[in-house]
Amino acid sequence: AQSVSQHNHHVILSEAASLELGCNYSYGGTVNLFWYVQYPGQHLQLLLKYFSGDPLVKGIKGFEAEFIKSKFSFNLRKPSVQWSDTAEYFCAVNGGGYNKLIFGAGTRLAVHP
Amino acid sequence: NAGVTQTPKFQVLKTGQSMTLQCAQDMNHNSMYWYRQDPGMGLRLIYYSASEGTTDKGEVPNGYNVSRLNKREFSLRLESAAPSQTSVYFCASSEGVGRAFFGQGTRLTVV
Repeated sequence: AQSVSQHNHHVILSEAASLELGCNYSYGGTVNLFWYVQYPGQHLQLLLKYFSGDPLVKGIKGFEAEFIKSKFSFNLRKPSVQWSDTAEYFCAVNGGGYNKLIFGAGTRLAVHP
Repeated sequence: NAGVTQTPKFQVLKTGQSMTLQCAQDMNHNSMYWYRQDPGMGLRLIYYSASEGTTDKGEVPNGYNVSRLNKREFSLRLESAAPSQTSVYFCASSEGVGRAFFGQGTRLTVV
């Protein structure tokens, strides 16, 4: 069965700090990987996705993520966060041709000015 | 372009009451999903439908039923609501295993 683990439940940073959020998945086959963001009071929006090719993917708002197949990881990074990045971030995976999109528990990021 | 539309946005039920959450998408997607979001638990998949006419259980299906009425619509029914079903419910759709588009959510309280 697929599962997704996000290591940090709450992260607090100051503006301009660097961000890295961990995501590990459990699934043996070919996977598609996603990071979604949920700003306060809003629904989920796609930040970036990985299907194949270059394991370093770039998304919106300066976010990027690196797929490391050997570690079953897909960590999200941003070199310099802004107050407007305050949100909850979710890693998600589907794979093996199954349309079963599974999410991690989420990481709540608070950025202080 | 409406995307994914959920109704209602808010609902309060008494324990034991039933209700149906409606979801419709206008992107001609084959796959549709129902999730519940609870603090500290992320989004948990209740049911999904890979195509019209098919539905499958997700991670937390107990207490729920679904109907894929047609390609556009995927409804979620609570036959006998319980306080443990107090949550925010999201419907989503996608084309196969591609990115999912989410509705605005339904905040359900069961008292």
